[in-house]
Amino acid sequence: DGGITQSPKYLFRKEGQNVTLSCEQNLNHDAMYWYRQDPGQGLRLIYYSQIVNDFQKGDIAEGYSVSREKKESFPLTVTSAQKNPTAFYLCASSPWDNTEAFFGQGTRLTVV
Amino acid sequence: DQQVKQNSPSLSVQEGRISILNCDYTNSMFDYFLWYKKYPAEGPTFLISISSIKDKNEDGRFTVFLNKSAKHLSLHIVPSQPGDSAVYFCAANPMDSNYQLIWGAGTKLIIKP
Repeated sequence: DGGITQSPKYLFRKEGQNVTLSCEQNLNHDAMYWYRQDPGQGLRLIYYSQIVNDFQKGDIAEGYSVSREKKESFPLTVTSAQKNPTAFYLCASSPWDNTEAFFGQGTRLTVV
Repeated sequence: DQQVKQNSPSLSVQEGRISILNCDYTNSMFDYFLWYKKYPAEGPTFLISISSIKDKNEDGRFTVFLNKSAKHLSLHIVPSQPGDSAVYFCAANPMDSNYQLIWGAGTKLIIKP
């Protein structure tokens, strides 16, 4: 079954802690993305990667970090520097030209 | 500055009737457009797309119309069904060097029985 998998679905973090969200795809897509969705808002791009070992900042990269050591994997770390981390995080992958992006089921992160 | 705008935050439609969701964009260089559907607490799923060389694309109950001169596209769903109740996002792909999707804020569609 080809697809994109995010884990965990729900995540709680104490203030001041870093936390890593997992994203794995077996679609053989070159590009992967992390978005954040807040209530009543659209998708905002955090980071993206078009090729292994390379990634670029999106519109709201501050307080986040990523790595792309393997084509299949694009983990996102939410650091303690992120001022308002409570949100719904979505990972996506696409062919190189982004004519169709496939999304994971999302991770809801709550800071307690 | 929003380059892709969905001006209606929500839309309510009777079951069986036509739902029309609208999207406007500002950049005439946008070359490819996509519509996604999203249920709460789930990732968006791809619905339908259209290239700027076309003005209409149809897939079952879903049709997307593109008016390049007005920089406007619309998604028509007919007939509307209860399962269509979701948030619909419009996205534009400039098909330039980084191929990043520019997203609208979404329209929540509610289908009334």
